[in-house]
Amino acid sequence: GAGVSQTPSNKVTEKGKYVELRCDPISGHTALYWYRQSLGQGPEFLIYFQGTGAADDSGLPNDRFFAVRPEGSVSTLKIQRTERGDSAMYLCASSPGVSGSTDTQYFGPGTRLTVL
Amino acid sequence: AQSVAQPEDQVNVAEGNPLTVKCTYSVSGNPYLFWYVQYPNRGLQFLLKYITGDNLVKGSYGFEAEFNKSQTSFHLKKPSALVSDSALYFCAVRDKNTNAGKSTFGDGTTLTVKP
Repeated sequence: GAGVSQTPSNKVTEKGKYVELRCDPISGHTALYWYRQSLGQGPEFLIYFQGTGAADDSGLPNDRFFAVRPEGSVSTLKIQRTERGDSAMYLCASSPGVSGSTDTQYFGPGTRLTVL
Repeated sequence: AQSVAQPEDQVNVAEGNPLTVKCTYSVSGNPYLFWYVQYPNRGLQFLLKYITGDNLVKGSYGFEAEFNKSQTSFHLKKPSALVSDSALYFCAVRDKNTNAGKSTFGDGTTLTVKP
């Protein structure tokens, strides 16, 4: 079946601009996660949705970052007033959401964001 | 707070030899532990996880990992390495007693298997 998909695969923007990154989870998965991965580092947790609500947004670095999942499926990560330090690979993952902490998270291929 | 350490940035082994990729963790409660592999230009792929029960966990592609509570370790192993195992490997931990979704990853270990 189809895995997690993310669009665009690459995004180049200028400092100060607004960007949106999209994630389509595996069909039927109620849990969705966003991570950020900088070069040479592991993924860093940003936010976790269970259904439409953000169950944990403790990883969002500041108020320029925001994510939504209005219908409990597709999610959009929104970054305002982008800075060069936002450049990274943004990863999305989904899981069935029925086993809580024991769920296996399935990752998409990521969106590489470059802020010039 | 939870954290993961992968003490080796790089591991090199010859094809056919056993491999070990090390991982140690820190959580305030009981851990759930995961290994993922990342190939170039591809997303992270799940290999295996430890939730409870037998300390030796078997996963995809012949990999296994041993949970050691006293040493707070979860090392990834394979009896006989293949060149195709060459990739970037990540260990991750979740704390059973805190929020369900938040995984903390190590910084990864690059495994190179030489023919």
